[in-house]
Amino acid sequence: GENVEQHPSTLSVQEGDSAVIKCTYSDSASNYFPWYKQELGKGPQLIIDIRSNVGEKKDQRIAVTLNKTAKHFSLHITETQPEDSAVYFCAASMGGLTGGGNKLTFGTGTQLKVEL
Amino acid sequence: ETGVTQSPTHLIKTRGQQVTLRCSSQSGHNTVSWYQQALGQGPQFIFQYYREEENGRGNFPPRFSGLQFPNYSSELNVNALELDDSALYLCASSSQGGTEAFFGQGTRLTVV
Repeated sequence: GENVEQHPSTLSVQEGDSAVIKCTYSDSASNYFPWYKQELGKGPQLIIDIRSNVGEKKDQRIAVTLNKTAKHFSLHITETQPEDSAVYFCAASMGGLTGGGNKLTFGTGTQLKVEL
Repeated sequence: ETGVTQSPTHLIKTRGQQVTLRCSSQSGHNTVSWYQQALGQGPQFIFQYYREEENGRGNFPPRFSGLQFPNYSSELNVNALELDDSALYLCASSSQGGTEAFFGQGTRLTVV
């Protein structure tokens, strides 16, 4: 089955700096790569995603890049703010199961701390 | 548009007991997936329900079972609870053929 590795496990940056989180996946059949932000006591919140037919996607301060050949994808957060502090998870999926949604395989998470 | 809601938010059970967790999917979504998230780990896929039938299952024993109702809400049942079942249980809903999965706030289950 799919295996997703995520690095680093913890990341501390100064407010205004950029943060980069990297993931690798094992199954070349995976074609959908979402990123989730999870705050303490809450469920994961989808913040951005990318599909395998796209190399890069940006939404304001957040961007995701995908290298299908190397099976890498990364989350980039620019101009970090204290409210960006949370645990971030990458995930991979082979798209929809028959007739339904999809099974996500998650990385182990990155605790991002943005310091003032 | 209502989001994914789960109940209860917290639950304490004794080893060997049975538990039922509930999930209401986001409006317009007909697919519900359940995940188990142990402390400090990423969510692990348990199973998915679509059109009231199980549609994919992860590496969980048969004592983990579920249901989906005609209104697309879902239940997760766990029999013969073990201490290692202590975790945050997350429900996610998706639209038919959709890839985006939206999560509820989870149910924190503690088995003592």
